[in-house]
Amino acid sequence: SQQGEEDPQALSIQEGENATMNCSYKTSINNLQWYRQNSGRGLVHLILIRSNEREKHSGRLRVTLDTSKKSSSLLITASRAADTASYFCATSSGSARQLTFGSGTQLTVLP
Amino acid sequence: DAGVIQSPRHEVTEMGQEVTLRCKPISGHDYLFWYRQTMMRGLELLIYFNNNVPIDDSGMPEDRFSAKMPNASFSTLKIQPSEPRDSAVYFCASSLVGKDNEQFFGPGTRLTVL
Repeated sequence: SQQGEEDPQALSIQEGENATMNCSYKTSINNLQWYRQNSGRGLVHLILIRSNEREKHSGRLRVTLDTSKKSSSLLITASRAADTASYFCATSSGSARQLTFGSGTQLTVLP
Repeated sequence: DAGVIQSPRHEVTEMGQEVTLRCKPISGHDYLFWYRQTMMRGLELLIYFNNNVPIDDSGMPEDRFSAKMPNASFSTLKIQPSEPRDSAVYFCASSLVGKDNEQFFGPGTRLTVL
């Protein structure tokens, strides 16, 4: 079963606007990762935040983590049409090597 | 540096036929994962290997599914016999120990069982 639940399921914005996606999870984690999936392609790792971190930046991406609420958010600033994709959060817990993926948010950026 | 390679990219077969999906992980990676993605169930982990040894196969749906990793550079996922409900995109991913569990995904195999 999917540990992560993402919100919203779908998001449509205009180019240049910011996009925010949220992820909630259920168990304690080592880290939380965000992946992007373009249509018909595999997932690509975007950014990782460890459980002892609260915020992380990478280019136009900003990730926050609130372990007390078991939630994370991904912010994409100044969105571009090329950002159109599905975005998944994934959690890593304990000593297990597998990731547990959320259900994903479908982002559409309109030119 | 080549990424994860999967073949075939598309497979169309008839119910009851055997299907074999193939994966070549990134050289040097010691973990290999097989996932299945459908609209209804999202991304599901089927099985994963560490140093060619299956570690957790609890996600394998039925005995019709089997996976092998005969060496560090090759893995197969076999479905025998295939059924229409097996239609999905199957992904292979690999990762390296000590790298925060970051996984590198292949392009996937889109399987259609008629």
